[in-house]
Amino acid sequence: QQQVKQSPQSLIVQKGGISIINCAYENTAFDYFPWYQQFPGKGPALLIAIRPDVSEKKEGRFTISFNKSAKQFSLHIMDSQPGDSATYFCAASMLTSNTGKLIFGQGTTLQVKP
Amino acid sequence: EAGVTQFPSHSVIEKGQTVTLRCDPISGHDNLYWYRRVMGKEIKFLLHFVKESKQDESGMPNNRFLAERTGGTYSTLKVQPAELEDSGVYFCASSQLLAGVGEQFFGPGTRLTVL
Repeated sequence: QQQVKQSPQSLIVQKGGISIINCAYENTAFDYFPWYQQFPGKGPALLIAIRPDVSEKKEGRFTISFNKSAKQFSLHIMDSQPGDSATYFCAASMLTSNTGKLIFGQGTTLQVKP
Repeated sequence: EAGVTQFPSHSVIEKGQTVTLRCDPISGHDNLYWYRRVMGKEIKFLLHFVKESKQDESGMPNNRFLAERTGGTYSTLKVQPAELEDSGVYFCASSQLLAGVGEQFFGPGTRLTVL
């Protein structure tokens, strides 16, 4: 049973467009939702994260939107650039647990065309 | 500051053989995690060390997998004997704080192929 579901699996966007990746979770005990960005040959790197006490968090061109009642959150990349081409993973964790293990979605491969 | 390093970057072995993966966390990070990504699927948690102690090993697939963290520094993950379904990318991550508040820094991964 996959606890965090991510879509789409792949995404192609024109330069300057908006990239949107969606995630849904089941466990209401999750209270920390990070997004990771992974370039080929590298490990995932934290991009932006949100906690459920806010509905939106913005860092530069990257925004997380969070809908607690629907148990969904999404990543929006504004003005997408070719350098944003990477694999993006959403994840969830429980801050109250004694481990910081991350539960990941399946990943989205984003290609931004020049 | 050096990041998380993993060795080897690639390993190709035959079914039934043994492979040992190594992870060197960022210096001073007490928390060390192992994850695995099987082709096209999600990155899955395997286990978590706090210093040299196993805090959570609920994600370990079976007893063919053995993880150690001697002295609370580097960690090894041994697969013995390897099976075809063990193929994937094994990531190690480390963090200074617990429970998501501390960012987990990932290594580049070890790509394991079992033939």
